[in-house]
Amino acid sequence: GENVEQHPSTLSVQEGDSAVIKCTYSDSASNYFPWYKQELGKRPQLIIDIRSNVGEKKDQRIAVTLNKTAKHFSLHITETQPEDSAVYFCAAIIYGGSQGNLIFGKGTKLSVKP
Amino acid sequence: DAEITQSPRHKITETGRQVTLACHQTWNHNNMFWYRQDLGHGLRLIHYSYGVHDTNKGEVSDGYSVSRSNTEDLPLTLESAASSQTSVYFCASSDQWTDTQYFGPGTRLTVL
Repeated sequence: GENVEQHPSTLSVQEGDSAVIKCTYSDSASNYFPWYKQELGKRPQLIIDIRSNVGEKKDQRIAVTLNKTAKHFSLHITETQPEDSAVYFCAAIIYGGSQGNLIFGKGTKLSVKP
Repeated sequence: DAEITQSPRHKITETGRQVTLACHQTWNHNNMFWYRQDLGHGLRLIHYSYGVHDTNKGEVSDGYSVSRSNTEDLPLTLESAASSQTSVYFCASSDQWTDTQYFGPGTRLTVL
């Protein structure tokens, strides 16, 4: 079946450094790629998303890049802060008709050390 | 404010019992989803619905069922709870135009 691979599974950075999380997907028809942040004991929350008609999207310290040819997309966090520590999930949408379902990567636990 | 809620937030039950987890959203979203989250597996889709009276099986649907009698609710039923169904369950919803899913606060279920 369709799947999303996410790497690394854990990432530790110093405060102020950049963090990059990478995902690859298998369905070439996927055209929507959200990223979710989940703090301990909380629900996943959407932080940024990108559609296949653009190659990059930025929102303050967060950016996502998409390479449709290679079927991979990445999350970039600059000037990391301790409050960025969380588990991050990428996802790709899989269509089985007019509506689609999200397939999630297994997550990356980001730790930002003060 | 519109929102998505789940109840109960925590549940302990015994093997073999029937359990129903509630999900309620006030966004008037057509699409609703149930996921389970286990360490090392991320979020896996159990069942989903694209509208009233529509239900579909996801990746890990065995032992679970859903029904959609109105737009706001998608209850998840474990017909005969098993220890392997101990997990955190998240409900999510999205409208039919944007694909963006919003998650509920989750239900932590323990099956003893």
